[in-house]
Amino acid sequence: QKEVEQNSGPLSVPEGAIASLNCTYSDRGSQSFFWYRQYSGKSPELIMSIYSNGDKEDGRFTAQLNKASQYVSLLIRDSQPSDSATYLCAVNNYGQNFVFGPGTRLSVLP
Amino acid sequence: DTEVTQTPKHLVMGMTNKKSLKCEQHMGHRAMYWYKQKAKKPPELMFVYSYEKLSINESVPSRFSPECPNSSLLNLHLHALQPEDSALYLCASSQESVQGYSGELFFGEGSRLTVL
Repeated sequence: QKEVEQNSGPLSVPEGAIASLNCTYSDRGSQSFFWYRQYSGKSPELIMSIYSNGDKEDGRFTAQLNKASQYVSLLIRDSQPSDSATYLCAVNNYGQNFVFGPGTRLSVLP
Repeated sequence: DTEVTQTPKHLVMGMTNKKSLKCEQHMGHRAMYWYKQKAKKPPELMFVYSYEKLSINESVPSRFSPECPNSSLLNLHLHALQPEDSALYLCASSQESVQGYSGELFFGEGSRLTVL
């Protein structure tokens, strides 16, 4: 059974702080990794994809991948109340098989 | 603006009704997906079409019937549903995998279904 795990939260951070979201996966053959943001009642929105070990930065977001440790993380710098949402980690080992984690609920406090 | 559009946004139906959910994408993607999402749960894969052919059916009950008329359109036909089928139904599309790396998955806004 291929699994993706995340802390369900809620993770609470003050406005302006760094939020750190973590994800582990069980399938060592996984090659493609994604972070989605989902506001309550809305559909998931792609934030970032990462395919290689190391860091990938896009604005206030940084994704980090460590395939040896089977670990993906998302850092959100200068967190804003508008970042309050559920963050879904998704992993793909090939083709159309995307496996989603349960999501981490982030709350950014003004 | 999302490039995957779904209609209707909201649907209420009785257990004896027949209805359809529709999805259209204009990104040139050749894979299209139906997901079901219940509150506070991650999206759950139902069906995948690749190059207009059904490639994955996650043992979905036959009261859900997918159809892919062409590479841009995806339908989900609903018949004799149960109240527990009430959920957010998400359509998504992605590019083909390249050298083992999958394309990004893009979701539509979803169709919220309530079965009475």
